Amino acid sequence: DIQMTQSPSSLSASVGDRVTITCRASQSINTYLNWYQQKPGKAPKLLIYAASSLQSGVPSRFSGSGSGTDFTLTISSLQPEDFATYYCQQSHSDPTFGQGTRLEIK
Amino acid sequence: QLQLQESGPGLVKPSETLSLTCTVSGGSISSSTYYWGWIRQPPGKGLEWIGSVFHTGRTHYNPSRKSRVTISVDTSKKQFSLKVRSVTAADTAVYYCARISSGTYFEMIDYWGQGTLVTVSS
Repeated sequence: DIQMTQSPSSLSASVGDRVTITCRASQSINTYLNWYQQKPGKAPKLLIYAASSLQSGVPSRFSGSGSGTDFTLTISSLQPEDFATYYCQQSHSDPTFGQGTRLEIK
Repeated sequence: QLQLQESGPGLVKPSETLSLTCTVSGGSISSSTYYWGWIRQPPGKGLEWIGSVFHTGRTHYNPSRKSRVTISVDTSKKQFSLKVRSVTAADTAVYYCARISSGTYFEMIDYWGQGTLVTVSS
């Protein structure tokens, strides 16, 4: 299994802040890395695929970068609707997810 | 717009079999570009991939779940199904069905069902 480790596990931020979440794979996954947003009681929503490609309909304040083992998700200016839990997921082999990062309002 | 909808019992007794069906609407289940999967999320915890099925019936399972899981597809009904045998309380989770889109340099879960909570309890 490829293990995915996100940091931080939680963070507090304010509307308008720039936020970065990191995800590290236990071995190289090239750019087979996706990011999802999940709000309470809802299914996850795809934000970024292939490490840096923005899914259709997702606001441009979301961006992703990285390759190999280290990846980041950046939200350039937090909006009220962005407070949620974020998961990374590798699709290089049997899919595995990070443990999640809970983004809370400061 | 593609939609996926899970259906099945919300309560299953320990040692019995959990059975769920996902119905696909608004799109084809038989495209070679997509396949279909199940993901679960225990209450308050993270996401776990269970397995997937192609429209031909070819399956791929999470190795840690493979011994108790069967996923199948019925293209005529535009449905795919999940069975988990010999369930315990640890199988209590929200179960999501999903579409996985696959390309040369990517593979992503781009559509999800709303999820259905299955509780294992006597």
